[in-house]
Amino acid sequence: AQSVTQLDSHVSVSEGTPVLLRCNYSSSYSPSLFWYVQHPNKGLQLLLKYTSAATLVKGINGFEAEFKKSETSFHLTKPSAHMSDAAEYFCVVSLRAADKLIFGTGTRLQVFP
Amino acid sequence: GAGVSQTPSNKVTEKGKYVELRCDPISGHTALYWYRQSLGQGPEFLIYFQGTGAADDSGLPNDRFFAVRPEGSVSTLKIQRTERGDSAVYLCASSLGDLPADTGELFFGEGSRLTVL
Repeated sequence: AQSVTQLDSHVSVSEGTPVLLRCNYSSSYSPSLFWYVQHPNKGLQLLLKYTSAATLVKGINGFEAEFKKSETSFHLTKPSAHMSDAAEYFCVVSLRAADKLIFGTGTRLQVFP
Repeated sequence: GAGVSQTPSNKVTEKGKYVELRCDPISGHTALYWYRQSLGQGPEFLIYFQGTGAADDSGLPNDRFFAVRPEGSVSTLKIQRTERGDSAVYLCASSLGDLPADTGELFFGEGSRLTVL
């Protein structure tokens, strides 16, 4: 069965410093991996996705993630945090040609001025 | 509107009552999903429709939960004999295409927050 583990429930950074949100996955087969963001009182929004093309994936708002099969990781990074990045971030996995997404438990990102 | 619309945004009910939650997907999207998000958790899959039929209902927790999509557009999630443990945010998402999970292009509504007293 597929699953994802988000290693930090909360991450706090200062504005302008790098962001690292960690995610490890478990999958018997070649997975598709995603990061979604949930701002307060807003719907979940797709940040980026990995589906077996380039292992370094670029998303919206300056975020990117690197698929590392040897480490079973898909960490989300951003070089410089902005106040508007404060939100809940979910790492998500699915099997190719699967009909559902499996969400992690989320990481709450706080950005301080 | 252009996005996925869910009503009501908030619902407070008493234990044992019946509840309906509605989802209006993006026009033209054939795939529709229901997820449930409990406090401090990530969304959990409930059911997936492709058109009018439930292609996968493996996430429904028990037979008190049921969902329909009679015309392949609007969907209703129905919960009978509600229990306090049903309290959660119920999320609806829609997608264009046959294998939305593979593309990851799910568009989510803002959810319906259900509180069972």
